[in-house]
Amino acid sequence: QQQVKQSPQSLIVQKGGISIINCAYENTAFDYFPWYQQFPGKGPALLIAIRPDVSEKKEGRFTISFNKSAKQFSLHIMDSQPGDSATYFCAASIIPRAYRGATNKLIFGTGTLLAVQP
Amino acid sequence: ETGVTQTPRHLVMGMTNKKSLKCEQHLGHNAMYWYKQSAKKPLELMFVYNFKEQTENNSVPSRFSPECPNSSHLFLHLHTLQPEDSALYLCASSQEGVVDNEQFFGPGTRLTVL
Repeated sequence: QQQVKQSPQSLIVQKGGISIINCAYENTAFDYFPWYQQFPGKGPALLIAIRPDVSEKKEGRFTISFNKSAKQFSLHIMDSQPGDSATYFCAASIIPRAYRGATNKLIFGTGTLLAVQP
Repeated sequence: ETGVTQTPRHLVMGMTNKKSLKCEQHLGHNAMYWYKQSAKKPLELMFVYNFKEQTENNSVPSRFSPECPNSSHLFLHLHTLQPEDSALYLCASSQEGVVDNEQFFGPGTRLTVL
C-alpha cells in the first residue's frame, strides 16, 4: 500500500520531443505528489508538485497530469532539451497536519533516467 | 555556504572501520532526514529528526547511528558496515508545519564498503 510504482526505468527522447514518465500508487490517503529531478553528482531537487484537488498543473515546459480514480499521475516534459537529461523521481505522501513532530514522509518511485538526444 | 551541504562527498571504508557522515543545512529548517539511495531502488528514508528529536527510524540496522545536536546539523555514525551498505547517502531538510513542505537535498556522500 505504501509503494509508488514508476515507469519507464529509462527513456530516450529526441530534442524537441515530449518526455512522459508515469507513476501509480495504491494508498488513497496520499494527498501530495511531487516530482524530483536529480542530476549526476547532485541531490534530488523539487521540480513540480500537485495536490489531488486538481487534474493538471503546468510550470513552464513541465506538466503533471493527475488521475485520481486511476490512482496515477504522470510528468510531461514538452520540447525536451538536452539539459533536461537527468533522473526523475515521482513521490507521494500524506501532508502532515500542522502539529509539532509531523514531517512530510515521502514515498519515492524507483526513478527514470531520461536522456534527451541533440 | 547555502542550502544543504554534506561531507565527505566520497568515503571508502573497511567493514571494521568507524566513520561519520556530516550534514549541515543553512536554510533555517527544523526537520532533517537521512536517505539511502541505491541503484534501481526507491530512495529509502532512514531517519527523521524534527526539532532535534528523532521521529522516525525506518527499521534501520543498529550499525547506522544518527545524531542531531541542533536543528542545523545531522550526523550519521557508521560502524561494522557490510558491503551491501554501499550506496549514496542523502541528507535533506524541510520546514515542518508549512503546507507542502518541500524537502531540500544535499549532494550526498558516496559510500563504498570494502
